[in-house]
Amino acid sequence: GQQLNQSPQSMFIQEGEDVSMNCTSSSIFNTWLWYKQDPGEGPVLLIALYKAGELTSNGRLTAQFGITRKDSFLNISASIPSDVGIYFCAGPPAGGTSYGKLTFGQGTILTVHP
Amino acid sequence: GAVVSQHPSWVICKSGTSVKIECRSLDFQATTMFWYRQFPKQSLMLMATSNEGSKATYEQGVEKDKFLINHASLTLSTLTVTSAHPEDSSFYICSARSRDRTYFGPGTRLLVL
Repeated sequence: GQQLNQSPQSMFIQEGEDVSMNCTSSSIFNTWLWYKQDPGEGPVLLIALYKAGELTSNGRLTAQFGITRKDSFLNISASIPSDVGIYFCAGPPAGGTSYGKLTFGQGTILTVHP
Repeated sequence: GAVVSQHPSWVICKSGTSVKIECRSLDFQATTMFWYRQFPKQSLMLMATSNEGSKATYEQGVEKDKFLINHASLTLSTLTVTSAHPEDSSFYICSARSRDRTYFGPGTRLLVL
């Protein structure tokens, strides 16, 4: 089945620094989703990307849908302590929709030191 | 506020017993809900798709007789872990599909002793 490879696995940064993480796949995705999961909680949608090349922002977060449709990145600018959590990329299977079942990447654990 | 709830939020049970987890969509009707399982420091893995009024569709490798899913109404899906064993200890997360978006529940932590 489709797999999403997310990197890095973890990041330790200082408050105020920018963060970049990415997600790649061996197969094409028509939708890329980025989620954040706080400890002991379910994932919350941050950004949804629907078109190759699309660049979308949500506050300090910016994500792009790669031209090849096989990759996406998420940037966080000027990190703050509440950015701590696990960030997942996700996408629907071929022919699926962004509101159906999803395949998740392995996650990037973000730690922000004050 | 939360649009999908799960109950209980955490549960501890003895090995061999069955545990039921509820997933409710709070202000919308969800004909389709999804059940995921997440082991510590791992990703979410889809277990099954729950369809209102019909049988659930299970992902490869998930035992349907062990993980019973019932989607009896448009706002409620239940996952029953039958004859639970310590290896079933995990974080179970549901999601519910609305017209154009899927919302995730807060998860249920299951610990089987």
